[in-house]
Amino acid sequence: GDSVTQMEGPVTLSEEAFLTINCTYTATGYPSLFWYVQYPGEGLQLLLKATKADDKGSNKGFEATYRKETTSFHLEKGSVQVSDSAVYFCALKPPPSTTDSWGKLQFGAGTQVVVTP
Amino acid sequence: EPEVTQTPSHQVTQMGQEVILRCVPISNHLYFYWYRQILGQKVEFLVSFYNNEISEKSEIFDDQFSVERPDGSNFTLKIRSTKLEDSAMYFCASSDRPGRTYEQYFGPGTRLTVT
Repeated sequence: GDSVTQMEGPVTLSEEAFLTINCTYTATGYPSLFWYVQYPGEGLQLLLKATKADDKGSNKGFEATYRKETTSFHLEKGSVQVSDSAVYFCALKPPPSTTDSWGKLQFGAGTQVVVTP
Repeated sequence: EPEVTQTPSHQVTQMGQEVILRCVPISNHLYFYWYRQILGQKVEFLVSFYNNEISEKSEIFDDQFSVERPDGSNFTLKIRSTKLEDSAMYFCASSDRPGRTYEQYFGPGTRLTVT
């Protein structure tokens, strides 16, 4: 079945450092790919998405490129801030099929990122 | 900005008791979802709901679980007889469309602790 694997955390880094969170997926066809972020005490918020191969999603300085050949959707940010401390979730939504067109998301385990001043 | 809300933020219950988790989706959304995350594990899909009926459910969503939209604004998840393994964070989400490219908006979650 469909699945998402992302690197374990916590990832601890200093302010202005470069951040990469690896995400790979297993799916048939062309799923849509998402990164969600959860700040402390808050719900899951969509950070960015990509819906087809080679699409690049970007938001708030974060970027991720949909790589079909490596089945990856790694999240990157060039210079992190303390306010980026959160848990980041990679997720996929399968392409519609005869049995599933209701849009359930398949999540990775989440990666906690801690940015220190 | 419209948002999904959930109550309570934390619920403690004894094993075997019934609990109802409440969600208020974004007002013009028509598709509703429940997910859960057991501590340290993945966020897992439980159920999707549209037009007053379940459209899809996972194998986790057994007969102990039910969902309801009792009025025009609330969306509830009921667990009839809680077990220790039901302890988790439960997230509600809503979407205006179910398709592959459309975003789901999530609430802040309810942490359920079963003792």
